[in-house]
Amino acid sequence: AQSVTQPDIHITVSEGASLELRCNYSYGATPYLFWYVQSPGQGLQLLLKYFSGDTLVQGIKGFEAEFKRSQSSFNLRKPSVHWSDAAEYFCAVGLSGGYQKVTFGTGTKLQVIP
Amino acid sequence: GAVVSQHPSRVICKSGTSVKIECRSLDFQATTMFWYRQFPKQSLMLMATSNEGSKATYEQGVEKDKFLINHASLTLSTLTVTSAHPEDSSFYICSATGGGRNQPQHFGDGTRLSIL
Repeated sequence: AQSVTQPDIHITVSEGASLELRCNYSYGATPYLFWYVQSPGQGLQLLLKYFSGDTLVQGIKGFEAEFKRSQSSFNLRKPSVHWSDAAEYFCAVGLSGGYQKVTFGTGTKLQVIP
Repeated sequence: GAVVSQHPSRVICKSGTSVKIECRSLDFQATTMFWYRQFPKQSLMLMATSNEGSKATYEQGVEKDKFLINHASLTLSTLTVTSAHPEDSSFYICSATGGGRNQPQHFGDGTRLSIL
């Protein structure tokens, strides 16, 4: 069965510092991978996705993620965090290909301190 | 960009009542809509997938008689929590897609349901 693991429940970084959020997946076929962000009391916004091709993908708000098949990872990075980046981040894998029917990880809550 | 409106954003009601949540795609035709449930500090759990004009497909463990889903048009899906009880209190989120593996899911802002 497919699964997504986000080992860090909560991360605190200083504004301006770099950020890396970890995501590991378990899926038998070629994965379709996503990162979403959720602000408190709101739905999810897609940051970026990986379907195929270049393993380093660029997203919105200055985020990027790198797919590493050998490590079954899809870590999210940002070189310089802004206070407005404080939110919950979810990694997800598409079960049947593409955007349809994704499985979400348990999320990483990001706190940004001045 | 594509907009999904979910209403109401918050509802508080007494145990035993039924609650209807609406999910509308405002500027695109949503052939497929998904309903998720999110418990505090947890991830989204897919409850069901609904395709316009068809019966919803429920995930294992989700009571279809408890959570009624209707997707009668290409812009509207509703989730009705019947005879709600305190354990049904949760954050419910819908998403909509134009269909096909390359069409992204667009999420509503969620509904906070509190059953007293």
